[in-house]
Amino acid sequence: DAGITQSPRHKVTETGTPVTLRCHQTENHRYMYWYRQDPGHGLRLIHYSYGVKDTDKGEVSDGYSVSRSKTEDFLLTLESATSSQTSVYFCAISPSSGGSNQPQHFGDGTRLSIL
Amino acid sequence: SQKIEQNSEALNIQEGKTATLTCNYTNYSPAYLQWYRQDPGRGPVFLLLIRENEKEKRKERLKVTFDTTLKQSLFHITASQPADSATYLCARLGGATNKLIFGTGTLLAVQP
Repeated sequence: DAGITQSPRHKVTETGTPVTLRCHQTENHRYMYWYRQDPGHGLRLIHYSYGVKDTDKGEVSDGYSVSRSKTEDFLLTLESATSSQTSVYFCAISPSSGGSNQPQHFGDGTRLSIL
Repeated sequence: SQKIEQNSEALNIQEGKTATLTCNYTNYSPAYLQWYRQDPGRGPVFLLLIRENEKEKRKERLKVTFDTTLKQSLFHITASQPADSATYLCARLGGATNKLIFGTGTLLAVQP
């Protein structure tokens, strides 16, 4: 299995609080992605990174920010959590070659509940 | 915009039968389609990638087809087993970011 660790695995917090989710990889892959998965919507891309300090928005980026200061770590921050951000969040990685069609390897997710 | 659609209804089949899952896409044909398996509480796991010009790809008991006329990919599991029970996702490049977009997945339940 690809070495991807997400932390925390579960979190419950209150509306308006900041939340940071961490994704750590040991594969030295260039690309890292954050998705959210909700019933009826499938996986939706929030933000992605194509290198250290190189990030871009996905299709549902409002209310989220990311940072990548090292190859192995990709952080997702909810500056002020809202109940609509209750979801399961997945991190994924893919190697540098081949571009966007490369298969992605996923972590096991963070279940985030915002009350 | 490009979309990808999977049957949201669960597929229930008997052990030993062939399971067939459908993935339909809109607009232009992608150069590739990918299939993933997802178990409850886990992240998706990559299974197969099929290129537009391959028409069919096999891996052990798995077979994927790509029909650009029908704008459809079929995913087959032959001699299905209860351990094959999971949600299966298909994905293609698309959307405003031209990154992978995923279908909502089809839940397969194989009854012993």
